[in-house]
Amino acid sequence: AQKVTQVQTEISVVEKEDVTLDCVYETRDTTYYLFWYKQPPSGELVFLIRRNSFDEQNEISGRYSWNFQKSTSSFNFTITASQVVDSAVYFCALSEAWNAGNMLTFGGGTRLMVKP
Amino acid sequence: GAVVSQHPSWVICKSGTSVKIECRSLDFQATTMFWYRQFPKQSLMLMATSNEGSKATYEQGVEKDKFLINHASLTLSTLTVTSAHPEDSSFYICSAEPGLAGGVGETQYFGPGTRLLVL
Repeated sequence: AQKVTQVQTEISVVEKEDVTLDCVYETRDTTYYLFWYKQPPSGELVFLIRRNSFDEQNEISGRYSWNFQKSTSSFNFTITASQVVDSAVYFCALSEAWNAGNMLTFGGGTRLMVKP
Repeated sequence: GAVVSQHPSWVICKSGTSVKIECRSLDFQATTMFWYRQFPKQSLMLMATSNEGSKATYEQGVEKDKFLINHASLTLSTLTVTSAHPEDSSFYICSAEPGLAGGVGETQYFGPGTRLLVL
């Protein structure tokens, strides 16, 4: 069965520090999709990235970067030079190709607090 | 693009009443929408998958007679919490998946959520 684990429940950093949020997943499918979402205090989930299992290239978007490693079933998220506005709960999620319903399996989330 | 709205954002109601929550995809069509429930400091729990023109698929443990879902058009799904009780108080979030059914691994775009408080 599919599973997503985010072992860090809360992380606190000081502004301008780099921070990495870990995500480990389990799946029996060879084709799957991984996502990261940000949930600020307002509650709305904001889509950050989607990655399919055949694309292991790391991705960088501004201060955000993602490291996908199939060998360790991990899809980690790094924020460089963190800012107070990055404070939020971040969710990693998995969708399996066999699942025609495209249901997402979410990790437990990591609450990131960036202090000024 | 890919904006999803929810209405209302906040609702307070008396025990025993029914509450309807609307989820709309504003700039795309969505054959499939999803309804989630989130308790404080917890992850999202999928309640049901809503398919346009057909019955919703409910997750195990979710009462379909309690949480009525109607997906009447490609841009609107509604969740009605019938005979609400205090234990139904929660944050309800919908998401929508652009495109026609059959797409694999599509991105879900989320609405801003509805906070329900049942007194």
